[in-house]
Amino acid sequence: AIQMTQSPSSLSASVGDRVTITCRASQGIRDDLGWYQQKPGKAPKVLIYAASTLQSGVPSRFSGSGSGTDFTLTISSLQPEDFATYYCLQDYNYPHTFGQGTKLEIK
Amino acid sequence: QLQLQESGPGLVKPSETLSLTCIVSGGSISSSSYYWGWIRQPPGKGLEWIGSIYYSGSTYYNPSLKSRVTISVDTSKNQFSLKLTSVTAADTAVYYCAGRKAVTPNWFGPWGQGTLVTVSS
Repeated sequence: AIQMTQSPSSLSASVGDRVTITCRASQGIRDDLGWYQQKPGKAPKVLIYAASTLQSGVPSRFSGSGSGTDFTLTISSLQPEDFATYYCLQDYNYPHTFGQGTKLEIK
Repeated sequence: QLQLQESGPGLVKPSETLSLTCIVSGGSISSSSYYWGWIRQPPGKGLEWIGSIYYSGSTYYNPSLKSRVTISVDTSKNQFSLKLTSVTAADTAVYYCAGRKAVTPNWFGPWGQGTLVTVSS
């Protein structure tokens, strides 16, 4: 199975900060990667798919980049509602695998 | 708008079988546009993909669970189901069902709201 190594596991930041989360795949996955946001007690929701395509309705402060093995999620200016846990997910092949998650907390 | 809703027992005894159903509304489960999947999340931990099924019945399972998992589709009821046998406390988790578009680019969504299943005697 493809291993997805996500970092950092937690991140403390302030409103207005720019933050970057990374995911590294153990083998090339083209651009078959999504980024998901999960708030406590809620199901995850997709923010970015195909590595860099913003899902409809997601604010433009979210962006994704990368291809092959290295991917990033960037939030350009943190808003209060962005404090949550973020996961990457590869759907290049089976089994689909998630990164370990990044918990974004308020500084 | 496609919506998914999980249902099933919230408590299962060790060694027994966990059975959950995901009811699909706002669209047909027989649509060739979607795969249907199960994902779980132990309390305080990360997400784990369990498996997926296509309306045709083709299934894909996580090797870590494959010997214990069965996912099936009931097109007459517009729902799909998860069975996980021989459960232990390690199977305690919130179980989510989700749709995933069948053609690229694809992503998981929509999701059900999740249902907590506790394995305990």
